[in-house]
Amino acid sequence: DVKVTQSSRYLVKRTGEKVFLECVQDMDHENMFWYRQDPGLGLRLIYFSYDVKMKEKGDIPEGYSVSREKKERFSLILESASTNQTSMYLCASSFSEKLFFGSGTQLSVL
Amino acid sequence: GQQLNQSPQSMFIQEGEDVSMNCTSSSIFNTWLWYKQDPGEGPVLLIALYKAGELTSNGRLTAQFGITRKDSFLNISASIPSDVGIYFCAGHRGGADGLTFGKGTHLIIQP
Repeated sequence: DVKVTQSSRYLVKRTGEKVFLECVQDMDHENMFWYRQDPGLGLRLIYFSYDVKMKEKGDIPEGYSVSREKKERFSLILESASTNQTSMYLCASSFSEKLFFGSGTQLSVL
Repeated sequence: GQQLNQSPQSMFIQEGEDVSMNCTSSSIFNTWLWYKQDPGEGPVLLIALYKAGELTSNGRLTAQFGITRKDSFLNISASIPSDVGIYFCAGHRGGADGLTFGKGTHLIIQP
């Protein structure tokens, strides 16, 4: 089975902090994605990557950056966390149209 | 980016009832997928559809790829308590694009 592991299930940070969300997949997938999930808004794509050191902006990239130094790892970075970035963050990987998701990180920014 | 129009937004049903939900789009997708998200977990793939008109089953779940390629339907027969969760439709246009998701249907089953 594909395993996508997100490093934290719950995270509490203060406004202005730099936040790193880590994601690792074990299936040698080319493509990796970061989504955020908010009530009533569904899943919105932040960034994705289809190769090491490659990144593409999704629908809502503002306030975020990403890093893909190794194929299995895709990191989401909040340069200066703000309260409107409180959300559930979901990482996913794929080799085709089928995405496999991690369990999510619930981030609260106070 | 575009989001799919998924309805209903939520459903309150009795155990044993059948459930129907659908997704529509103003543009064509090459693949339609349905995911389920349990509370506190990430979405899990239920069914993937690849051809217009295709009807695919997975146990009590049946999904259809609309003939126009702009819509898809998911039916759950004889609902049970573990069917509770959020169901998402997703469309894929092809290539390295990510999925476009609907906003989800919350399924709540009353005992």
